[in-house]
Amino acid sequence: AQSVTQPDIHITVSEGASLELRCNYSYGATPYLFWYVQSPGQGLQLLLKYFSGDTLVQGIKGFEAEFKRSQSSFNLRKPSVHWSDAAEYFCAVGPIQGAQKLVFGQGTRLTINP
Amino acid sequence: NAGVTQTPKFRVLKTGQSMTLLCAQDMNHEYMYWYRQDPGMGLRLIHYSVGEGTTAKGEVPDGYNVSRLKKQNFLLGLESAAPSQTSVYFCASSSPGGGYTDTQYFGPGTRLTVL
Repeated sequence: AQSVTQPDIHITVSEGASLELRCNYSYGATPYLFWYVQSPGQGLQLLLKYFSGDTLVQGIKGFEAEFKRSQSSFNLRKPSVHWSDAAEYFCAVGPIQGAQKLVFGQGTRLTINP
Repeated sequence: NAGVTQTPKFRVLKTGQSMTLLCAQDMNHEYMYWYRQDPGMGLRLIHYSVGEGTTAKGEVPDGYNVSRLKKQNFLLGLESAAPSQTSVYFCASSSPGGGYTDTQYFGPGTRLTVL
C-alpha cells in the first residue's frame, strides 16, 4: 500500500542554521511528490512538487527538495532558516487510485530558536 | 479570488447532534476533498468528489456523509456527532491537470469539538 513516513515528529534548529526534513515513501510506480507547510491555525500551502525531470526541485520561500528514487526519499532542505519558517511540514505522495488522491505523512513540527 | 473557503471556522457540538460543514471554491476545480487532521496522524481523506453530483469514500468515511450538488460547493455532514469526530477538518480542491496529479488547494479549516 502507498504510504509516507516522516521520521521526525519535531525538529528544533537555530535561526540561520540549515534544515533538512526527511520524507520516505512507499509507492508502486513513479510518484508525484509534494511538500506542504501549515502555519499555526492555518490551512496547508504548497511549498513545492515533483512530477518528473530534474530531481532537485525549487520551491517557494527558499526551500528545495531532492527526489532520490533509489532511497525512496524526497527530503526538504533550506540553507538558512528564518523564525517565520516555524510551522508544521507535510510530505505527500500520489496519485492514489486516480482522482488525484494524496497520502500524507504524519507531519514534522519545526521550532526555530532565536 | 477567495480560493477555498470553509464555514464555520469553529463549532462545538454535543454528542448526537448533527451539523453540516460547507466548503466553497471559486477556481472552477473539478475535484474536491474533505480531510480530517488529528495530532500525530497527518491528514486523512474522508470523502472526495471528482465532479458535480459524484462522491466517493476515502480512508475514514464512517460517520460522515457528503454532497456535491454544485460544482463549487462540497458539503460534509455529521448525522450524529461522536467525541471521536473532534478534529480539524480541511477541504481542498484541484483540477484534473491533463491526467497528472496537480496541486490541491486547501481551505483554512474548521475546528470541531464534540462534547
